[in-house]
Amino acid sequence: AQRVTQPEKLLSVFKGAPVELKCNYSYSGSPELFWYVQYSRQRLQLLLRHISRESIKGFTADLNKGETSFHLKKPFAQEEDSAMYYCALTSQGGSEKLVFGKGTKLTVNP
Amino acid sequence: DAGITQSPRHKVTETGTPVTLRCHQTENHRYMYWYRQDPGHGLRLIHYSYGVKDTDKGEVSDGYSVSRSKTEDFLLTLESATSSQTSVYFCAIRKGVRGNTEAFFGQGTRLTVV
Repeated sequence: AQRVTQPEKLLSVFKGAPVELKCNYSYSGSPELFWYVQYSRQRLQLLLRHISRESIKGFTADLNKGETSFHLKKPFAQEEDSAMYYCALTSQGGSEKLVFGKGTKLTVNP
Repeated sequence: DAGITQSPRHKVTETGTPVTLRCHQTENHRYMYWYRQDPGHGLRLIHYSYGVKDTDKGEVSDGYSVSRSKTEDFLLTLESATSSQTSVYFCAIRKGVRGNTEAFFGQGTRLTVV
């Protein structure tokens, strides 16, 4: 079974501080991991995916298969980063099921 | 907007009545999903579809049914609405091609069951 765990419901940091949002997964096959973000009153949108190893808005995430983790990091948080962040999992090869974690609400204080 | 729309956007209904939510896409994507979003539970998968007439259950499928008679439409039906089904419902679509599996989301439907 596919499962995604985001241990922190809420995370609050000050502007300019580093931020790390944790994501752990459980899946026996080859996973494909994503981070999605939902800003206030907006649709969920893709932030980044492990397969492309990109950096979006200063965020990065590395897939650690040994620890089954895909933590999201940013060295210097900005106020506009305040949002709901969801980690998601599907299998490689474009398989069907796309499962999300419970989300972490990030607040960046001035 | 990735060519995905949900209707209605808001609905209030009474306990015990049937309700159908519609997800419509213009992208010809293969995969379509229905999620519900609740505080403290995040996004939970209700049902998904991997082609016309091909659907499967997600994590919280009890009390819900779906149909996909054509590529562009994925309907979610609550046969007899209950207060526990008060939620925000999101539809998503995915192309499903390897290396290009980003999901695009609709605006959401806020359903209140009274």
